[in-house]
Amino acid sequence: ELKVEQNPLFLSMQEGKNYTIYCNYSTTSDRLYWYRQDPGKSLESLFVLLSNGAVKQEGRLMASLDTKARLSTLHITAAVHDLSATYFCAVEGYGGATNKLIFGTGTLLAVQP
Amino acid sequence: NAGVMQNPRHLVRRRGQEARLRCSPMKGHSHVYWYRQLPEEGLKFMVYLQKENIIDESGMPKERFSAEFPKEGPSILRIQQVVRGDSAAYFCASSQQYNSPLHFGNGTRLTVT
Repeated sequence: ELKVEQNPLFLSMQEGKNYTIYCNYSTTSDRLYWYRQDPGKSLESLFVLLSNGAVKQEGRLMASLDTKARLSTLHITAAVHDLSATYFCAVEGYGGATNKLIFGTGTLLAVQP
Repeated sequence: NAGVMQNPRHLVRRRGQEARLRCSPMKGHSHVYWYRQLPEEGLKFMVYLQKENIIDESGMPKERFSAEFPKEGPSILRIQQVVRGDSAAYFCASSQQYNSPLHFGNGTRLTVT
């Protein structure tokens, strides 16, 4: 059974600092997603990572994928308050349907001024 | 092009009542997925449907829950005889093809009193 673990679960950081969120998954998968969720809102797609060594960047966020280690990271550079949200990684599960995404538990990011 | 539309946004039901949640996929999308998010948890896959067919319902509770996606009209997630533990946010997502990225709706927040 595919399992996805994120850490840390909660992250409080000051503006201007850098930090990394980690996402480990237990079995082989072809795609890994990062989503952002604001309180009471839906999920906003941030990145789709398709291959080993893939790196994508958007603003202060950069995501990478190591399929051999079954690890993805979401790196935050020079955090700002607007980045405060919950971040989820999700991996495609097989044995039923593609797009059956298995989500991590999420990382609640609070950026303090 | 309107996104995935879910209604109602908020639904309050007393224990024992029925809850019906609706999801209209994006135009041109024939694949629908339902996910449930319990408070402070990640999303959990429930069911994957195509028009008139349930493809994967491995995440659906065995009793009281059912889903359909008729030839005409929205997909419906139905919960009979709701209990307090059913209180959660229910998200619908749709995709154009079998392995296309998912687009999420804004969710229906069900509260059982």
